[in-house]
Amino acid sequence: ILNVEQSPQSLHVQEGDSTNFTCSFPSSNFYALHWYRWETAKSPEALFVMTLNGDEKKKGRISATLNTKEGYSYLYIKGSQPEDSATYLCAFKTMANSGNTPLVFGKGTRLSVIA
Amino acid sequence: DADVTQTPRNRITKTGKRIMLECSQTKGHDRMYWYRQDPGLGLRLIYYSFDVKDINKGEISDGYSVSRQAQAKFSLSLESAIPNQTALYFCATSDLGVAGERETQYFGPGTRLLVL
Repeated sequence: ILNVEQSPQSLHVQEGDSTNFTCSFPSSNFYALHWYRWETAKSPEALFVMTLNGDEKKKGRISATLNTKEGYSYLYIKGSQPEDSATYLCAFKTMANSGNTPLVFGKGTRLSVIA
Repeated sequence: DADVTQTPRNRITKTGKRIMLECSQTKGHDRMYWYRQDPGLGLRLIYYSFDVKDINKGEISDGYSVSRQAQAKFSLSLESAIPNQTALYFCATSDLGVAGERETQYFGPGTRLLVL
């Protein structure tokens, strides 16, 4: 069973603070690493898909980096705003079985931004 | 209109009843999934289907069954509902063939199920 770990489980930050959290995944048979944003009472929505070691993706104040050799990805939020409050999920896809495997999700990091 | 729809959105049922949750998509994706979400446990995969003739068990398939009636439809059944199946259920779709997406998943709005 593949293990995808996210830390911290939850955090509270003040409005305007920058923050980051971690996703750890197996470093072998890597295919892709996804980040999703999941607001309360809504459905998860895709933020980034990263496929190459060293990939960096950015969307507004949110960015992500990828290290496939050591098996981790960081998600950064610059100048957090209350609307950034959500659970951030990462998901890993392996090349095992010729890629015919589903995404494996971490349990998420729940971010609360206090105004 | 939403690309991925789920019906019903909310359901209350009694222990022992058989219920079906339905998922439809207009995205034209081959791959469909059912997840459940429980507080503190994230998303757990119940079943998935990579095309109409393909059904696979996920992490927590016991007590559930599925039917892939067409490319656009994927139903989840609870044969005999029990209280610990109370959860929020999500359907999702993906398409391996879209370059650059690497199977980005698109989620339905969720079905909130309460088993008494």
